[in-house]
Amino acid sequence: AQSVSQHNHHVILSEAASLELGCNYSYGGTVNLFWYVQYPGQHLQLLLKYFSGDPLVKGIKGFEAEFIKSKFSFNLRKPSVQWSDTAEYFCAVNGNTDKLIFGTGTRLQVFP
Amino acid sequence: EPEVTQTPSHQVTQMGQEVILRCVPISNHLYFYWYRQILGQKVEFLVSFYNNEISEKSEIFDDQFSVERPDGSNFTLKIRSTKLEDSAMYFCARPKQGTSDEQYFGPGTRLTVT
Repeated sequence: AQSVSQHNHHVILSEAASLELGCNYSYGGTVNLFWYVQYPGQHLQLLLKYFSGDPLVKGIKGFEAEFIKSKFSFNLRKPSVQWSDTAEYFCAVNGNTDKLIFGTGTRLQVFP
Repeated sequence: EPEVTQTPSHQVTQMGQEVILRCVPISNHLYFYWYRQILGQKVEFLVSFYNNEISEKSEIFDDQFSVERPDGSNFTLKIRSTKLEDSAMYFCARPKQGTSDEQYFGPGTRLTVT
């Protein structure tokens, strides 16, 4: 069965600090990988996605993620966070069906 | 692309009551998904619905749940006899045009069962 693990449950950073959020998945076949963000009081929005090709994908708002197949990982990164990045971040996968399997989420708090 | 809207934004109901949550597509979509997020927990898949039939459902989607497209446009999620543990945010989602892999989520309905 597919599963997604996010190791960081709560991350607190100061503005301009670098960010890396871990995501590991469990699935034996070809997967599509996603990072969604949920700002306070808002709905889920897609940050970035990986389907195939270059394993380093760039998304909106300066975020990027790297797919490392050998490690079953898809970590999210941002070199310099802003206060407005305060949100909950969810890693998700889908494989042989189109339903999304989400991780438990990482709550990011950025202080000015 | 057009967004997904959901009504109501918040519903409070008593245990044992039936609730109907609505998802309103702006454009004519045949494929929809429902997910839920219990407070503090991860987003979980409930059901996918294609062309008026259930395409896939999770183990959470038991007999108390049903989905319909009652008037050819809105998609509904019905919970027949709510339980306290049904309290959650319920999201509907639709696929991005031209792909079955990327999904756009609605703003959600917060269901509170008392």
